[in-house]
Amino acid sequence: GDSVTQMEGPVTLSEEAFLTINCTYTATGYPSLFWYVQYPGEGLQLLLKATKADDKGSNKGFEATYRKETTSFHLEKGSVQVSDSAVYFCGLANAGGTSYGKLTFGQGTILTVHP
Amino acid sequence: DGGITQSPKYLFRKEGQNVTLSCEQNLNHDAMYWYRQDPGQGLRLIYYSQIVNDFQKGDIAEGYSVSREKKESFPLTVTSAQKNPTAFYLCASSTGTGVPGAEQFFGPGTRLTVL
Repeated sequence: GDSVTQMEGPVTLSEEAFLTINCTYTATGYPSLFWYVQYPGEGLQLLLKATKADDKGSNKGFEATYRKETTSFHLEKGSVQVSDSAVYFCGLANAGGTSYGKLTFGQGTILTVHP
Repeated sequence: DGGITQSPKYLFRKEGQNVTLSCEQNLNHDAMYWYRQDPGQGLRLIYYSQIVNDFQKGDIAEGYSVSREKKESFPLTVTSAQKNPTAFYLCASSTGTGVPGAEQFFGPGTRLTVL
């Protein structure tokens, strides 16, 4: 079945540092890939997505590129802020077959940014 | 404003009691989902529904039940058969299954604690 593996956390950075959160996946067919963010006590919000190989999703300074050859979708940001402190989830959805658009998530990575 | 509402935000239950969590959306979405979130385990799919009067089991359906009598509503019942119900429960909806890149929109969540 489909699966997503995220780098283990937590990740602690100083403000303005470079961020990378690794995400790799296993899936049949051609899944869509997502990054969601969860702030304390809240639901998940879509951060960015990519629907085919070599697509780059971007939003709020975050970027991730869909790499089919390495089955990866790593999240990056050049300069993090304290307000980026949250839990980040990598997700995968297969539109076809019996998956019915179901999202499969990684375990989440806690990011803490200090001033 | 369109969105997903979940109620209550916090819920306490005694062992052996059934409890129902509410989820309502006004996004006119066909598909709705219930996830359970535990620390360090990401999100796991409990049930999902593609259309009114139809729903399917997810990865951890045992001890839970759902109904989908209206397009905008997808309540989840946590029964006394659920061995470890204390968790954060998230409801989501999307435009439809089988659509590449279809985003899932999440509600704010209900934190259930069994006393």
